[in-house]
Amino acid sequence: DVKVTQSSRYLVKRTGEKVFLECVQDMDHENMFWYRQDPGLGLRLIYFSYDVKMKEKGDIPEGYSVSREKKERFSLILESASTNQTSMYLCASSLPGQGGSNEQFFGPGTRLTVL
Amino acid sequence: DAKTTQPTSMDCAEGRAANLPCNHSTISGNEYVYWYRQIHSQGPQYIIHGLKNNETNEMASLIITEDRKSSTLILPHATLRDTAVYYCIVRPFSGNTGKLIFGQGTTLQVKP
Repeated sequence: DVKVTQSSRYLVKRTGEKVFLECVQDMDHENMFWYRQDPGLGLRLIYFSYDVKMKEKGDIPEGYSVSREKKERFSLILESASTNQTSMYLCASSLPGQGGSNEQFFGPGTRLTVL
Repeated sequence: DAKTTQPTSMDCAEGRAANLPCNHSTISGNEYVYWYRQIHSQGPQYIIHGLKNNETNEMASLIITEDRKSSTLILPHATLRDTAVYYCIVRPFSGNTGKLIFGQGTTLQVKP
């Protein structure tokens, strides 16, 4: 069974802390994504990666960075957490491919609270 | 990027077919229609996708109009576990990356 796992379901951090959110997939997918989800705003893409060490900004990259050192792992980093980064964070992965066939598989999400 | 419009919420009786509409009047020729759903406290789950032909899998059917400006997701026999937010997404043509843009979706409430 395909699997995307995220390091924590719930996380509480203080303002100014450096926060690492880890995502691991076991499907040998090239593409990996980080979204955040907020009430009334839906899912918004933060960053994505289509290969090891490759990354591209999504729609809301400010305040975040990412790391993809290995194909199966994609990390989201909050260099200095702020209260407006309190949110649900979702990781996803997919195969590459033209033609719309690349279904995204999502992890269960990490609910981050920044105090 | 093509934009989608969905009703905010819908109700359906358990055991009946749930028909969820989506308008995507600005869709371009090389864009696919995807449907995902998100059950409370879980990550989104892929349901089905299509280009111009109707599609069916074990979860649902997708009916796309001939002009491709709208589509309908059909859950043939809705159960209480189908209560979720359903997202209709038009996949932007962004090369290899498969980027998806999620809108607000339709909250489907299946009632006993």
